[in-house]
Amino acid sequence: EPEVTQTPSHQVTQMGQEVILRCVPISNHLYFYWYRQILGQKVEFLVSFYNNEISEKSEIFDDQFSVERPDGSNFTLKIRSTKLEDSAMYFCASSLRMGHAYEQYFGPGTRLTVT
Amino acid sequence: AQKITQTQPGMFVQEKEAVTLDCTYDTSDQSYGLFWYKQPSSGEMIFLIYQGSYDEQNATEGRYSLNFQKARKSANLVISASQLGDSAMYFCAMREGPGTASKLTFGTGTRLQVTL
Repeated sequence: EPEVTQTPSHQVTQMGQEVILRCVPISNHLYFYWYRQILGQKVEFLVSFYNNEISEKSEIFDDQFSVERPDGSNFTLKIRSTKLEDSAMYFCASSLRMGHAYEQYFGPGTRLTVT
Repeated sequence: AQKITQTQPGMFVQEKEAVTLDCTYDTSDQSYGLFWYKQPSSGEMIFLIYQGSYDEQNATEGRYSLNFQKARKSANLVISASQLGDSAMYFCAMREGPGTASKLTFGTGTRLQVTL
């Protein structure tokens, strides 16, 4: 069964460093998302992406964040200058179509630890 | 106001028993979807079940069913015949709007512990 993959599974970085989280969505999916989950808290939406541009972003997704689909398969989240509060699990998700009837398939997550 | 409310931070159920996890939601949209995801201790998010706002029948997927009460704005998850492997966090989530609003809004989750 096709699945969303994410690398790395765990990333440790120092405050102020740039980090890139990578995702390979399901191959025929068209809509891509990033969510984050701070330890012990709920999952929060960051950004959605379609047709090579951002569809929607939350207030969390400020100028320090960017997303890119550099080729036909990868979808990346970049944090330019990490802060301690960026420590969280980051989930990539993809969906075949937009609209509430289409479930989003989540990757296994990347645990980001900022020290 | 919270869009998704899960009032049970933790629940216990005995193996083979049924359990209901509560979820209420708040939206002014007529078209929306409700989802349940399972998050085991390994951390991944596993899609369980979906209910559309216009669906007249309650959704079912194997041992999972969704008790959808639109007037009460509730979408409770029922797990029948609980198994030890059902021990996990369970998140209720909603997508609003027919098209452009595509994000999922999650509740705070319920931790389910299945005991022998």
